[in-house]
Amino acid sequence: DTAVSQTPKYLVTQMGNDKSIKCEQNLGHDTMYWYKQDSKKFLKIMFSYNNKELIINETVPNRFSPKSPDKAHLNLHINSLELGDSAVYFCASSETGGGYGYTFGSGTRLTVV
Amino acid sequence: KQEVTQIPAALSVPEGENLVLNCSFTDSAIYNLQWFRQDPGKGLTSLLLIQSSQREQTSGRLNASLDKSSGRSTLYIAASQPGDSATYLCAAESGGSYIPTFGRGTSLIVHP
Repeated sequence: DTAVSQTPKYLVTQMGNDKSIKCEQNLGHDTMYWYKQDSKKFLKIMFSYNNKELIINETVPNRFSPKSPDKAHLNLHINSLELGDSAVYFCASSETGGGYGYTFGSGTRLTVV
Repeated sequence: KQEVTQIPAALSVPEGENLVLNCSFTDSAIYNLQWFRQDPGKGLTSLLLIQSSQREQTSGRLNASLDKSSGRSTLYIAASQPGDSATYLCAAESGGSYIPTFGRGTSLIVHP
């Protein structure tokens, strides 16, 4: 099936650990995104990335970093996890240039204990 | 900076009612406006995408309109059903950034 897929779906880890969330899309899109959905269900952009440009939301701590081995993948690495990082993280993709809409993954629920 | 507001925040209606969900945005220079549905514990499902040159889009019982000049979009749901219960999110993609800004959503409950 054509889709944006994220793994794992659930991630429970201790404070201070380093973890990664993987995202893959087979839609042929050339721009990928990471969003964070907080406990109040608000979706906030973290990163936007294509082959040419990484756009970082300035409020995102530098413990978070996107890594893209190719245009179909955008993984999210988180260092030194904190309790406040607990949230649902969504990956999305679209065609570059605007106006084409977005396709979202099903989310990764991260719980830091 | 684009800001998106959705009203109402929550809505509870009996089955069969026609509904209007509102979305407003501050920067009218948008490429598109997209409506999504999110079921509890699930991801976002795209419902309708309205390009900046379009005024409305329809899919089944759903109709979304866009008025860029007034910074507003509405999602109309006809003959609501319990299966329509979910959170509805709108997202405006601003010119230049190619990044959609989301509203906080309208939580809809349709009871039998």
